[in-house]
Amino acid sequence: DTAVSQTPKYLVTQMGNDKSIKCEQNLGHDTMYWYKQDSKKFLKIMFSYNNKELIINETVPNRFSPKSPDKAHLNLHINSLELGDSAVYFCASSQKGTKNIQYFGAGTRLSVL
Amino acid sequence: AQTVTQSQPEMSVQEAETVTLSCTYDTSESDYYLFWYKQPPSRQMILVIRQEAYKQQNATENRFSVNFQKAAKSFSLKISDSQLGDAAMYFCAYSRYSGGGADGLTFGKGTHLIIQP
Repeated sequence: DTAVSQTPKYLVTQMGNDKSIKCEQNLGHDTMYWYKQDSKKFLKIMFSYNNKELIINETVPNRFSPKSPDKAHLNLHINSLELGDSAVYFCASSQKGTKNIQYFGAGTRLSVL
Repeated sequence: AQTVTQSQPEMSVQEAETVTLSCTYDTSESDYYLFWYKQPPSRQMILVIRQEAYKQQNATENRFSVNFQKAAKSFSLKISDSQLGDAAMYFCAYSRYSGGGADGLTFGKGTHLIIQP
């Protein structure tokens, strides 16, 4: 059983479309994250979320929004996709009290044409 | 804001030899965590080793060990007896100690490690 799973693994879409990436963790963790890895492999935090707070990186456009239907899921919605949104998006999770050890999903490669 | 710097974009080592990857960071916090993650071509992010800033003893995990110098804000990774499977991008990462809050990791730009057979 995959601990942190993301779907889809690949996503190709046109500029201007709206898309979602799903993330589920079966580790019982209370905190989930979204990261963006650009074409130069640089990883940057986008959102951190637990049931009490959402922390948004101030550089993330408001076209990006996380949605959490429950503790095990944190989906990423992206509106009006732009060419610059092309990247690999990683979901991760951690549990309070475990020294912030984060477990990552396999990533979703988003290509905007 | 915290920053993490990896000054070696690429390193190459012969199989079975030892290699050290460098990482420095900048923070005004006294309590924090440091990590090394490995990203092979499969894209999966794999935790290699971690260190709590309040611990003076350097962390070790089998062939992987760190040299943590808190005053110098340095956190290097040593890989002994390098194996072909060690070939990957290695990322150094920092996390603030937040008492259980939701803190993202701040990553360096990565070091591409090549293992020569």
